[in-house]
Amino acid sequence: QLQLQESGPGLVKPSETLSLTCTVSGGSISSSSFFWGWIRQPPGKGLEWIGTISYSGRTYYNPSLRSRVTISVDTSKNQFALRLTSVTAADTAVYSCARLPEAASYFDQWGQGTLVTVSS
Amino acid sequence: QSVLTQPPSASGTPGLRVTISCSGSSSNIGSNFVNWYQQLPGTAPKLLIYYINQRPSGVPDRFSGSKSGTSASLAISGLQSEDEADYYCSAWDDSLNGPVFGGGTKLTVL
Repeated sequence: QLQLQESGPGLVKPSETLSLTCTVSGGSISSSSFFWGWIRQPPGKGLEWIGTISYSGRTYYNPSLRSRVTISVDTSKNQFALRLTSVTAADTAVYSCARLPEAASYFDQWGQGTLVTVSS
Repeated sequence: QSVLTQPPSASGTPGLRVTISCSGSSSNIGSNFVNWYQQLPGTAPKLLIYYINQRPSGVPDRFSGSKSGTSASLAISGLQSEDEADYYCSAWDDSLNGPVFGGGTKLTVL
């Protein structure tokens, strides 16, 4: 059964870079049938799509975050990663990684999510 | 502020039917499929309905979806206590070139 697990620091200082990794197990990240994405949920608020990447590295970003976001994939480790630069308190959220079937508009498998707090 | 609009809360009595609405625009719901997610307390969102009214394997047929114009609805019949959760609608947005979500509806089973 496919599993996704987020990992990374739970606390980041303002103006620094948030870095998270999603490890995929029970399936290959190299499948051309799927894309891989990041979604976040600020405390008490709704979900926000951050961006998506294919196994070949093709990326799609939310325009509101594009200038600060980089998503990358490491097929040798079956992982993909998120970098968000110049963070502020507004970036405090639960960050989740998820799988998106190719040509679909929904995420069919999700990680548990990890809370990242931006604070000095 | 979320792109799709949902009521913040809904409630229903066990055994009865409840609906949750989701309103969008021509660039998202009006021209694309709608999906729904269920988020139980302390857990990750789970895909509940995709392509307006399709259920992934394991989702009871008590859950159903519909769409009309730029609005969509999720209906839950035979309401059960374990249905108490947050529900999010989502759709592809042609302007964003990515998925957008509603703010979520907290369902309380009375």
